[in-house]
Amino acid sequence: GAVVSQHPSRVICKSGTSVKIECRSLDFQATTMFWYRQFPKKSLMLMATSNEGSKATYEQGVEKDKFLINHASLTLSTLTVTSAHPEDSSFYICSANIRGTMNTEAFFGQGTRLTVV
Amino acid sequence: GDSVTQMEGPVTLSEEAFLTINCTYTATGYPSLFWYVQYPGEGLQLLLKATKADDKGSNKGFEATYRKETTSFHLEKGSVQVSDSAVYFCALRGAGGSYIPTFGRGTSLIVHP
Repeated sequence: GAVVSQHPSRVICKSGTSVKIECRSLDFQATTMFWYRQFPKKSLMLMATSNEGSKATYEQGVEKDKFLINHASLTLSTLTVTSAHPEDSSFYICSANIRGTMNTEAFFGQGTRLTVV
Repeated sequence: GDSVTQMEGPVTLSEEAFLTINCTYTATGYPSLFWYVQYPGEGLQLLLKATKADDKGSNKGFEATYRKETTSFHLEKGSVQVSDSAVYFCALRGAGGSYIPTFGRGTSLIVHP
């Protein structure tokens, strides 16, 4: 089946530093990947849609300069949290759809727990 | 716009009890419907799906039927196990072809031995 790998699974960083999270589709190509943030009461918030070869589309209220997204290839998207602050601590999840098929489900990475101290 | 409403949790059951988690949706046309499961500390996994009205999705003893007339996709399992303890998300993908799924808020299931 389609596998999405997210790395790292956990990261602790100091306030003011930047953290990069990778999302890879291991056995399929994905022209589009999605980044979510999950809050403590379980709800998923879509942050942005990452498009291969073009700029990401950010949801309203998400700071594009703070959450930098790069989709450099058909199998890799990265989310960089710049100048991280404690309020950025959260669980970040990526997902992808298989390119060029009629598959409708999204395949998710295992998530990244970010803690900013 | 599209929306998904799930029952509030947590749902607490004893092992071998019957499970129902309600899910209703609002969307134009005929969206595809999904249930995802999230185990502690992990990402989401697709549990089952249905792409047209009256379809029944099933997997690992879980079932859900796409009911267009009631705009519902309730998740059921006849006999839950402790290992089913997780958070369950109902989701839809719009009929317009958008790949962005709309999620419910999630329902936590706790199964006691």
